[in-house]
Amino acid sequence: ETGVTQTPRHLVMGMTNKKSLKCEQHLGHNAMYWYKQSAKKPLELMFVYNFKEQTENNSVPSRFSPECPNSSHLFLHLHTLQPEDSALYLCASSQGDRFNTEAFFGQGTRLTVV
Amino acid sequence: AQTVTQSQPEMSVQEAETVTLSCTYDTSENNYYLFWYKQPPSRQMILVIRQEAYKQQNATENRFSVNFQKAAKSFSLKISDSQLGDTAMYFCAYSTGANSKLTFGKGITLSVRP
Repeated sequence: ETGVTQTPRHLVMGMTNKKSLKCEQHLGHNAMYWYKQSAKKPLELMFVYNFKEQTENNSVPSRFSPECPNSSHLFLHLHTLQPEDSALYLCASSQGDRFNTEAFFGQGTRLTVV
Repeated sequence: AQTVTQSQPEMSVQEAETVTLSCTYDTSENNYYLFWYKQPPSRQMILVIRQEAYKQQNATENRFSVNFQKAAKSFSLKISDSQLGDTAMYFCAYSTGANSKLTFGKGITLSVRP
C-alpha cells in the first residue's frame, strides 16, 4: 500500500461515452501526475499539478480533461476517446517542492476503448 | 530534451544468480536524479533505488545496486541473489527535480526462473 488509490481498476467504454478516472493520495503530497502507459512504449507524462494548479500539459488531446479540486484528489475526465487511447493510466504523487523526492504510484486504471 | 534508453526488452535469470539491467540517458543538465522502478504484475510501480548525480558513490539497497557512470551517461541496475519475487518490469527513469516529473525508459521484462 503506497497511499495512492485509483478507481476504477478496469474500465471499458465506447467512443461516445463520458467517464472519469479518480485518484486519491493520503500522503500529504502537493504534486500529482497522470501518466499513460501503452504497450511497448515508455510511460508518457500527461499532466502535472502542483498545489492544485496545472503546471504542465504534455500536448495531451482535449478529449482528456484533468481536474484537481484539492491536493489530495485528481481526476481525468474522458470523452469521445479513440481505440488508440486504450492503455494503463497511472496516477502518481510526490512532495513536489524537493529536488530528491520520489514519486508514489497508484495501481492504475486499465482503460479499453471499444 | 532528456531521453532514457533501455535497449534490452527482456531478460531471464536463474534464481539466486546475479543479473544486470542496462540504462543510458541523455541530458545537458549537471544536477539530476536517476531511478529504477519495478512494476510487478499487480501494476503497482515501486521505487527500487535512487541515485543523485552529484554523488560519486553508487547507491545500494540490500540486493540492489547501481553502476552509475556519469561521463558515459550510464545507469545500470544489478540484482544479486535473484528471487522469484523479482520477476517484474523494470523501468529506468530520470528527473531534473522540476516538479519531480519523471522521464521513463521503455522498460525491461525480467523473469526469474526457479
